[in-house]
Amino acid sequence: AQSVAQPEDQVNVAEGNPLTVKCTYSVSGNPYLFWYVQYPNRGLQFLLKYITGDNLVKGSYGFEAEFNKSQTSFHLKKPSALVSDSALYFCAVRDMTRAGTASKLTFGTGTRLQVTL
Amino acid sequence: DTGVSQDPRHKITKRGQNVTFRCDPISEHNRLYWYRQTLGQGPEFLTYFQNEAQLEKSRLLSDRFSAERPKGSFSTLEIQRTEQGDSAMYLCASSSGDRGYEQYFGPGTRLTVT
Repeated sequence: AQSVAQPEDQVNVAEGNPLTVKCTYSVSGNPYLFWYVQYPNRGLQFLLKYITGDNLVKGSYGFEAEFNKSQTSFHLKKPSALVSDSALYFCAVRDMTRAGTASKLTFGTGTRLQVTL
Repeated sequence: DTGVSQDPRHKITKRGQNVTFRCDPISEHNRLYWYRQTLGQGPEFLTYFQNEAQLEKSRLLSDRFSAERPKGSFSTLEIQRTEQGDSAMYLCASSSGDRGYEQYFGPGTRLTVT
């Protein structure tokens, strides 16, 4: 079975400082990894994904994420946080090598990012 | 806006009633997904369509739940004999391909069962 862990319920950071939101995953094969952001009363918005290739992937709104196969991690990062980045962030995984039931995304429980002035 | 749309956005119903939700995916997307999200949790997969074929169903989808995508375009999710435990946000997503393709989510339908 595939799973995702987001160990921090909330991350607090001051505007202008770098931010990291942590994610670790477990799959039997090789993973496809995704980050989504959710603003209040809105659906999830796609930020970025790792499929293959360069371990550092860049996405929307200045976010990036680093895939680390040995640590089974896919941490979300941003060099300089904005107050408007405050939202709920979800990491998700899909096992790329499983046949049949490979279509679903498995999400973590989410990390609330709070950016303050 | 050509994103995923869902209707209604909010639904309040009494226990035992039936409810139906609609999802309109992005027009060129042939894959459609339903998820359920409860407070403090990430979305949980319910079911998946490729065109009109329902290819995958979660064990979360009890016999009271049924989903259709009759012409491979919009989809409906029906819950019969609703229970208070069905109260959740029901999210629809679509994608243009499988596996490595990202899913685009609609705004969700919030169901409250009283």
